[in-house]
Amino acid sequence: NAGVTQTPKFRILKIGQSMTLQCTQDMNHNYMYWYRQDPGMGLKLIYYSVGAGITDKGEVPNGYNVSRSTTEDFPLRLELAAPSQTSVYFCASSYSSVPDTQYFGPGTRLTVL
Amino acid sequence: QKEVEQNSGPLSVPEGAIASLNCTYSDRGSQSFFWYRQYSGKSPELIMFIYSNGDKEDGRFTAQLNKASQYVSLLIRDSQPSDSATYLCAASNTGNQFYFGTGTSLTVIP
Repeated sequence: NAGVTQTPKFRILKIGQSMTLQCTQDMNHNYMYWYRQDPGMGLKLIYYSVGAGITDKGEVPNGYNVSRSTTEDFPLRLELAAPSQTSVYFCASSYSSVPDTQYFGPGTRLTVL
Repeated sequence: QKEVEQNSGPLSVPEGAIASLNCTYSDRGSQSFFWYRQYSGKSPELIMFIYSNGDKEDGRFTAQLNKASQYVSLLIRDSQPSDSATYLCAASNTGNQFYFGTGTSLTVIP
């Protein structure tokens, strides 16, 4: 089992560019989440999904979009990148809702210049 | 605004001592609480969760929850240098949304 994988590991974007952060899990988990973590801060939930075809906003969804066409994949789309989106992005998954364990991917470090 | 607050530290304890980490939350609707450990440059990993008032023990770790005071704590007994990390407290109400604190940095001194 690879668990939760994320690509790319690092990326530098210019202001106004777009990109997709990929997240895949091979544990057949229903729930998937996207978080961002700014330096010295905790994690903020961007979007989450409770199953294929179902997504919902978290605490900080502005500037992002998601889709969930399969159980395994949950890509995060950044449109018109801004310096405020410079952060480390973590994808996580769990089989069910709390108090089930969330498994985190290794993260994507994004810099917007 | 649902908030989870932690003392950012740094907290330093000698090897073998008890480390005490604290967390308060603002949303009385929060039902489940989590402690994650995060090493520098790595992703968070779950240590414990708790959803009933009282204590929950798992090896060297004990989580304590007091819903009346909106307070969660994590005790680490016999602290080891490998416990040096940032500890994140999180709360959830519906089961789909999680609110994290900013983390407490712990250093265990050999």
